[in-house]
Amino acid sequence: EDQVTQSPEALRLQEGESSSLNCSYTVSGLRGLFWYRQDPGKGPEFLFTLYSAGEEKEKERLKATLTKKESFLHITAPKPEDSATYLCAVQEGTSYGKLTFGQGTILTVHP
Amino acid sequence: NAGVTQTPKFRILKIGQSMTLQCTQDMNHNYMYWYRQDPGMGLKLIYYSVGAGITDKGEVPNGYNVSRSTTEDFPLRLELAAPSQTSVYFCASSYSTAPGDYIYFGEGSWLTVV
Repeated sequence: EDQVTQSPEALRLQEGESSSLNCSYTVSGLRGLFWYRQDPGKGPEFLFTLYSAGEEKEKERLKATLTKKESFLHITAPKPEDSATYLCAVQEGTSYGKLTFGQGTILTVHP
Repeated sequence: NAGVTQTPKFRILKIGQSMTLQCTQDMNHNYMYWYRQDPGMGLKLIYYSVGAGITDKGEVPNGYNVSRSTTEDFPLRLELAAPSQTSVYFCASSYSTAPGDYIYFGEGSWLTVV
């Protein structure tokens, strides 16, 4: 059974204070690991897909990395508008696009 | 393009009532999904469809039914609502399951069963 665990559950940062979110996963045959951002009262918004260990992707202040057991979402010099819940999900090789999600990390960035 | 549109946004149901959550997408996507999200929990897959006329159960299908008569629409039916079905429901779609083809989500439907 695919499992995804995110840590920490909640993270409070000061504006400009860089940090990382962790996503540990267990899956038989990773097809893709996805990061989504979710704002209160909204649906998840796609950020990144990673496919193989060693891969990295960047978007503005966010950088996602992948190893064989976990993924990190690095946030560099965050701003208050980066406050959101960040969701990690994995797609197993034969899962017809189905995603297994972690519980999310609630990020709050204070000015 | 409107993307994935869900209605209603909010609904309160009494125990034992039934209702249908509507979902439509205008991106000509083959794959559609229904997820539910409970507080502090990850999204759980309820049902999915790989094309018109084809549906299958996800992780938590009990108490729900779906149909897919067209490519655009994928309604979720709740029969005999129970308090355990109080949740936020997200409809989603993707063109394929190929690497790089990510899943688009709707804005969500908040359902309370009392």
